[in-house]
Amino acid sequence: ETGVTQTPRHLVMGMTNKKSLKCEQHLGHNAMYWYKQSAKKPLELMFVYNFKEQTENNSVPSRFSPECPNSSHLFLHLHTLQPEDSALYLCASSPPGTRAETQYFGPGTRLLVL
Amino acid sequence: DQQVKQNSPSLSVQEGRISILNCDYTNSMFDYFLWYKKYPAEGPTFLISISSIKDKNEDGRFTVFLNKSAKHLSLHIVPSQPGDSAVYFCAASGINTGKLIFGQGTTLQVKP
Repeated sequence: ETGVTQTPRHLVMGMTNKKSLKCEQHLGHNAMYWYKQSAKKPLELMFVYNFKEQTENNSVPSRFSPECPNSSHLFLHLHTLQPEDSALYLCASSPPGTRAETQYFGPGTRLLVL
Repeated sequence: DQQVKQNSPSLSVQEGRISILNCDYTNSMFDYFLWYKKYPAEGPTFLISISSIKDKNEDGRFTVFLNKSAKHLSLHIVPSQPGDSAVYFCAASGINTGKLIFGQGTTLQVKP
């Protein structure tokens, strides 16, 4: 049990839909991350939040909109996505000021855009 | 440009033998390297790491070797067990980058 949960686990949406992915961590961490994993590609960092403030946006298209209302919750709002956005979206969290190995990942949301 | 590469998408090993997973990197600013393991329907979990000041780190059946001059690291699992079957990701980070850069992953299958 990693303490990082993600919902939904699977999502199918059309290109005109609006949906949101949710991530929740119960580890007392202050940093949260969104990653994207496409088939046969490395995990790509999308966004980083530290103490609810966005500290990294890795050139992500505006059709992905993150929200971090508090240190335990992270959302990824999706709108007008493209089929190439179909991927596994992983959330992670870590305590602040530590090395990278302390990132704890959720199980991911498998997204299919039709 | 991919800074961390795992050139073998898959590896099959007999139970009890050694599994060797390889990883290459291009950024000389990386100073910390990690291996993550991922089972289907689960997120990656941290397995073992190594700092650039070392060339070897061992934890039970898992050993990571770092060759800085070749910008290469490897993960050795010995003896391999069927429960080790998973996708293994190599990752790197640097003090200046402050974030993890992942490889594409290698799927390891350990046959009984």
